[in-house]
Amino acid sequence: NAGVTQTPKFRILKIGQSMTLQCTQDMNHNYMYWYRQDPGMGLKLIYYSVGAGITDKGEVPNGYNVSRSTTEDFPLRLELAAPSQTSVYFCASSGTGRSYGYTFGSGTRLTVV
Amino acid sequence: TQLLEQSPQFLSIQEGENLTVYCNSSSVFSSLQWYRQEPGEGPVLLVTVVTGGEVKKLKRLTFQFGDARKDSSLHITAAQPGDTGLYLCAGLGYRGSYIPTFGRGTSLIVHP
Repeated sequence: NAGVTQTPKFRILKIGQSMTLQCTQDMNHNYMYWYRQDPGMGLKLIYYSVGAGITDKGEVPNGYNVSRSTTEDFPLRLELAAPSQTSVYFCASSGTGRSYGYTFGSGTRLTVV
Repeated sequence: TQLLEQSPQFLSIQEGENLTVYCNSSSVFSSLQWYRQEPGEGPVLLVTVVTGGEVKKLKRLTFQFGDARKDSSLHITAAQPGDTGLYLCAGLGYRGSYIPTFGRGTSLIVHP
């Protein structure tokens, strides 16, 4: 059981370049999330999805886009990379119900130069 | 917006010492979770507490949910170097949403 798989693990982008961070889960979870984590700032929610075809903005959505065409996949798109987007990005998924925990991927460390 | 305050922010202790990490809010949560994150990895769920006053034990870790469901604590007995990591608490609100609120974390270092 792979859980949540994120690719790539590391990436360096130049300012203005675009990229897609991939996220796949094999637990048939309805809810999926994208977070960014900066030192000392905790986890900030970028976007989330409650099911295929449904996405919504989180706390810090500017500069990002998402899509959810299947239950398994939830890619995060950066269109015009900026230095402020240098961060570690985590994808997570969860079932529904208050006793469910969140399963996180191992993260993507992105540097924009 | 529901906020979760974690304290202390940093903790550096010697192997064998005990410690307590706190997670506090002015809001009521339907459940609260604790995660541990090691360098270069994503957070891993340790426990979920759902009942006010609930106490759960996981080996040397003891988790407690406050009676009013606004706060929680994590106590580690006889800390070991393997306990080193970032400890995060996350709360779920009552509005039927499954979007958690995360605290900023407590960074723990246990020296051998």
